[in-house]
Amino acid sequence: QSALTQPASVSGSPGQSITISCTGTSSDVGSYNLVSWYQQHPGKAPKLMIYEVSKRPSGVSNRFSGSKSGNTASLTISGLQAEDEADYYCCSYAGSSTLRVFGGGTKLTVL
Amino acid sequence: QVQLVQSGAEVKKPGASVKVSCKASGYTFTGYYMHWVRQAPGQGLEWMGRINPNSGGTNYAQKFQGRVTMTRDTSISTAYMELSRLRSDDTAVYYCARAPGIAVAGTGAFDIWGQGTMVTVSS
Repeated sequence: QSALTQPASVSGSPGQSITISCTGTSSDVGSYNLVSWYQQHPGKAPKLMIYEVSKRPSGVSNRFSGSKSGNTASLTISGLQAEDEADYYCCSYAGSSTLRVFGGGTKLTVL
Repeated sequence: QVQLVQSGAEVKKPGASVKVSCKASGYTFTGYYMHWVRQAPGQGLEWMGRINPNSGGTNYAQKFQGRVTMTRDTSISTAYMELSRLRSDDTAVYYCARAPGIAVAGTGAFDIWGQGTMVTVSS
């Protein structure tokens, strides 16, 4: 099972919006609404930001939103803030054999 | 509060084995799957497998089949991940991560993570 495809880096200025894509296949992203997104600051454990494509856990800012179209999921961060600068990873359920597959990660830089 | 606390850093020689522990607290241990995810230095996240703490049943990523063993001790709410025949490219931070799907409906997501355990493989 290949990793999901994410852009290596994205950037934006404070207050702007950015979108990170996560492209999989019909065996993972395209078949299940079980895509999640994680934020990871340097030296820290990942933190769940979005689950089931577009749901936010309690405590996560509504500036974070998720969507999916076909085999591609997306994470949008609106009103960029300095503390949003981090690595972001998507993850998808991939069936009863592989179970989970991660994207390669995207480094977000807030200019 | 709900938390996962992992064992400390390890240094191992190539060919050896390592066993990392993950102690759960603040929730019913047998009600959630426990997954293991690793991250090599400067690299992305890689899913290794999971254990059902209720039944002991396991699922492993094909890449690690035959080298990884996931177990649990329900009496102390602790999950374990043992990786054998270590190589230098197994040097990574190993995380345990909780996922719903046993007592409550699964979401596919890892909602609680351990702090990570650094495993260094070097001769």
